[in-house]
Amino acid sequence: EVQLVESGGGLVQPGGSLRLSCAASGFTFSTYWMGWVRQAPGKGLEWVAYIKIDGSDINYVDSVKGRFTISRDDAKNSLYLQMNSLRAEDTAIYYCARARGVYWGQGTLVTVSS
Amino acid sequence: DVVMTQSPLSLPVTLGQPASISCRSSQSLVYSDGYTYLSWFQQRPGQSPRRLIYRISNRDSGVPDRFSGSGSGTDFTLEISRVEAEDVGVYYCLQGTHWPWTFGQGTKVEIK
Repeated sequence: EVQLVESGGGLVQPGGSLRLSCAASGFTFSTYWMGWVRQAPGKGLEWVAYIKIDGSDINYVDSVKGRFTISRDDAKNSLYLQMNSLRAEDTAIYYCARARGVYWGQGTLVTVSS
Repeated sequence: DVVMTQSPLSLPVTLGQPASISCRSSQSLVYSDGYTYLSWFQQRPGQSPRRLIYRISNRDSGVPDRFSGSGSGTDFTLEISRVEAEDVGVYYCLQGTHWPWTFGQGTKVEIK
């Protein structure tokens, strides 16, 4: 059974940093693109970033470029999102997803507030 | 960025009746490999999104056959042949052809 389990969310002050993790199981992690999608409270979905196999290609939505870094550790079957210079508008549930969204985790809530 | 426009945004439906959601993109979603990366997702209250349909019309594993997708180019449709109580939630289309991948605003399906 495919499982994606996010962790690392929490309350952080504006300008602060957080590192999200996604532990994958039930499939050969190294052979799939992975991505992060966020959903602000009561709002729609926004695809934040993706990383291809071997990290060969990475892309970010403009609103997080230069502040967020997506990475993967295939030996640990894990996906990461390093988030720096956080802003109030980054407050959202962050979901880990495989490829173009065939599987999703349960999400982890990031709240940016003073 | 490609803008995905869904309609309607709210869809009250009688149990057992059909429902249809439209999704239009601001540009063609045909990728260089010939595929059209248009997907549909269901998000039930309090749950993570779940993909129902990929590449316009392919149902994901375990998705009931009352869900179907159609369309081409810039116009796409999700149809539910007979709405059941468990279909309540918000439905999103996603284009995965042009980066950034973008979702429609969402269509809230509720039972009348």
